[in-house]
Amino acid sequence: GENVEQHPSTLSVQEGDSAVIKCTYSDSASNYFPWYKQELGKRPQLIIDIRSNVGEKKDQRIAVTLNKTAKHFSLHITETQPEDSAVYFCAARAQGGRRALTFGSGTRLQVQP
Amino acid sequence: DGGITQSPKYLFRKEGQNVTLSCEQNLNHDAMYWYRQDPGQGLRLIYYSQIVNDFQKGDIAEGYSVSREKKESFPLTVTSAQKNPTAFYLCASGTGANYEQYFGPGTRLTVT
Repeated sequence: GENVEQHPSTLSVQEGDSAVIKCTYSDSASNYFPWYKQELGKRPQLIIDIRSNVGEKKDQRIAVTLNKTAKHFSLHITETQPEDSAVYFCAARAQGGRRALTFGSGTRLQVQP
Repeated sequence: DGGITQSPKYLFRKEGQNVTLSCEQNLNHDAMYWYRQDPGQGLRLIYYSQIVNDFQKGDIAEGYSVSREKKESFPLTVTSAQKNPTAFYLCASGTGANYEQYFGPGTRLTVT
């Protein structure tokens, strides 16, 4: 089955700096890659996603890039703010087979004011 | 995701008791999912259902059971066979077709 690895497990940046979180996946049939943000004690919230027919997608200060050949995708947050502090999860899903997301282990991002 | 509800928010049970966690959605989503999250951990798939009256085991189904008698509802029963049931349980739903998946607010289960 699919295996998603996520790095780093923790990331601390200064306010205004950029943050990058990276994930790799194992199943070449995966074609959907969402990113979730989870604040302490709350539900994960979908913040951005990308499909395999696209190499990059942006939404204001966040962007996701996908390299299908290398089977990795990344989340980029620019001009970080304290409210960006949270745990971020990447996930992957294949078109066929198991129709459910497989999640990475999460990255705890802390933005220092 | 405001259309997915889970109840109760906190649940306490004694060891050896079965407990059922509720998940309801009014988003007309075909697919529903149950995940377990342990402190500092990622989300692990317990069960999922793509259509009514059908469901599949995820990665950690042992000690859990589900039913999908209605499109809107996907209750999860944590049985006494689950060795370490204390965790944060998250239900999710999605259309299936476009893959997007949205989470409910979660139920924090504590078994002592």
